[in-house]
Amino acid sequence: QVHLEQSGAEMKSPGSSVRVSCKASGGAFSNFALSWVRQAPGQGLEWVGGIIPVFGAGNYAQRFQGRVTITADEATSTAYMVISGLRVDDTAVYYCARSAGWRSWFDPWGQGTLVTVSS
Amino acid sequence: EIVLTQSPATLSLSPGERATLSCRATQSVSSDLAWYQQKPGQAPRLLIYDASKRATGIPARFSGSGSGTDFTLTISSLEPEDFAVYYCQQRHFLFSFGQGTKLEIK
Repeated sequence: QVHLEQSGAEMKSPGSSVRVSCKASGGAFSNFALSWVRQAPGQGLEWVGGIIPVFGAGNYAQRFQGRVTITADEATSTAYMVISGLRVDDTAVYYCARSAGWRSWFDPWGQGTLVTVSS
Repeated sequence: EIVLTQSPATLSLSPGERATLSCRATQSVSSDLAWYQQKPGQAPRLLIYDASKRATGIPARFSGSGSGTDFTLTISSLEPEDFAVYYCQQRHFLFSFGQGTKLEIK
């Protein structure tokens, strides 16, 4: 049974950067996609981007291109998401979720990481 | 970009009643649609994938139907634990989600 464990809550200032991690255990890592999905307070779900570790390059929703970088460390089965140039409206819970590829479904999900951006 | 529109935004029903939730896509997604359930403070949980297949451990009262642009999630007889927010999601071109339907107790 695959389990995804995310890093803890972060509080950041506008314009700064944040790194969130997602460690996978209990199953294969390199050949599956790890995606990041965010949920602003009281809002719905939005796919940010993801990575298939064995291929290395991230895949991003257009609106996050250039501001979000997703990487993966196969040695530690951990995926990372860095958001730069943080804005107040980046405040959200960020979930990592695994899928069998770019044409599959999100299952399981991590517990979520709250990123708060405030001056 | 494929946009998914869910209706209604809020559905008020009583335990034991039948719930019907809708999801419409701006272009055909074939059967590349899933449904997720999210309870407060929790991550979403996969319920239905490929439009009509139940995920592991999902009770038989949950069913999905549809193809192309119009999809339905049906809960045949509501249990108290079913009151939550439900999202549809497509995988036909990258990924996108509907805005959600809140299923609340009447």
